[in-house]
Amino acid sequence: QLQLQESGPGLVKPSETLSLTCTVSGGSISSSSYYWGWIRQPPGKGLEWIGSIYYSGSTYYNPSLKSRVTISVDTSKNQFSLKLSSVTAADTAVYYCAREMSIAARSIWFDPWGQGTLVTVSS
Amino acid sequence: QSALTQPASVSGSPGQSITISCTGTSSDVGGYNYVSWYQQHPGKAPKLMIYEVSNRPSGVPDRFSGSKSGNTASLTISGLQAEDEADYYCSSYTSSSTYVVFGGGTKLTVL
Repeated sequence: QLQLQESGPGLVKPSETLSLTCTVSGGSISSSSYYWGWIRQPPGKGLEWIGSIYYSGSTYYNPSLKSRVTISVDTSKNQFSLKLSSVTAADTAVYYCAREMSIAARSIWFDPWGQGTLVTVSS
Repeated sequence: QSALTQPASVSGSPGQSITISCTGTSSDVGGYNYVSWYQQHPGKAPKLMIYEVSNRPSGVPDRFSGSKSGNTASLTISGLQAEDEADYYCSSYTSSSTYVVFGGGTKLTVL
């Protein structure tokens, strides 16, 4: 059974860089047809897609965050990571990682999701 | 403001049926059959309930069904049960540079 687990600091200071890692277990991150995505959810609000990566390193980013986002993959560790720079209080959210089915560069669905990790931006 | 529009809340009694709508544009919902629906209980991660408009993943009860007409997709839950009370989000591929868009979410209350 495929499982994903987010890890990283729960508190980040304004203007600094948020860094999270998602560890995939029960399957290979190098599986074809699957991308690996990051989605966030501010407290009490809806879901926002951040970006996705293929095991080869190919990435898609949300244009509204693209200038601050870097997603990378480490196939040897079966992990992928998120870096979000110059954070503000507006970046406070639960951050989820998820497996993404993608066909012909079109996102189909996200499943399963990690349990999520709350990242608070505060001094 | 979310790219896909959902009602903020819906409610129904046990055993009844409810429908949640998800309205987009021809660039997303109306243009592709890549609409998915997610169920989220408080404090939990979203769970995929419907993909490609009307397909159910293994393990999802057949009380959950999806459909689409024009730029509006719908999630119908029949035979409502107490455990169905949750937030529901729709999502779609979009041909815009955004790539993936979500709805704002609908809170389902089982009376």
